[in-house]
Amino acid sequence: QKEVEQNSGPLSVPEGAIASLNCTYSDRGSQSFFWYRQYSGKSPELIMSIYSNGDKEDGRFTAQLNKASQYVSLLIRDSQPSDSATYLCAVKENTPLVFGKGTRLSVIA
Amino acid sequence: DAGVIQSPRHEVTEMGQEVTLRCKPISGHNSLFWYRQTMMRGLELLIYFNNNVPIDDSGMPEDRFSAKMPNASFSTLKIQPSEPRDSAVYFCASSPRTGGTEKLFFGSGTQLSVL
Repeated sequence: QKEVEQNSGPLSVPEGAIASLNCTYSDRGSQSFFWYRQYSGKSPELIMSIYSNGDKEDGRFTAQLNKASQYVSLLIRDSQPSDSATYLCAVKENTPLVFGKGTRLSVIA
Repeated sequence: DAGVIQSPRHEVTEMGQEVTLRCKPISGHNSLFWYRQTMMRGLELLIYFNNNVPIDDSGMPEDRFSAKMPNASFSTLKIQPSEPRDSAVYFCASSPRTGGTEKLFFGSGTQLSVL
């Protein structure tokens, strides 16, 4: 049974701070890792993907992957109130995406 | 592109009734997925299709659930008979490659309430 674990939160950060979201996964053979953002009452949307160890940056977002530790994280720099949402970690091997339950982020103005 | 279209947006029904959820994937996408989301269990895969063929339905909770994809532009998820524990948001998603590429395009979801 493949599992993706996230802290449910809520994670509260002040506006302008760095938000750090973490995820661990059980399947060591997983090859692809994704972060989806879901606003309340809306559907998930892809914001980051990462496939190799290290960091990947896209604007204010940085995804970090450590396959040896089976750990993936998402950093959001200069957090804005509009970043307040639930962030879902998703992992893929040879099957469709397995999602974590998500971490709720609240950015306080 | 209109994106993935689901209907209805909201469904309220009584226990024992049949429920049919509908999905129109993005044109040209080869894979279609049905997910269910609850607070307790998060986003769970129910079934997925590649090129209209069901590939894995191991996530379908019981025989009360069934899904079809008669053509590339339409899929249904049916629950018969429905039970209160089926209350959840049901998402349909499509992707442009078979096997499930990383980018899923989600519909707006159907909020199902079974009383």
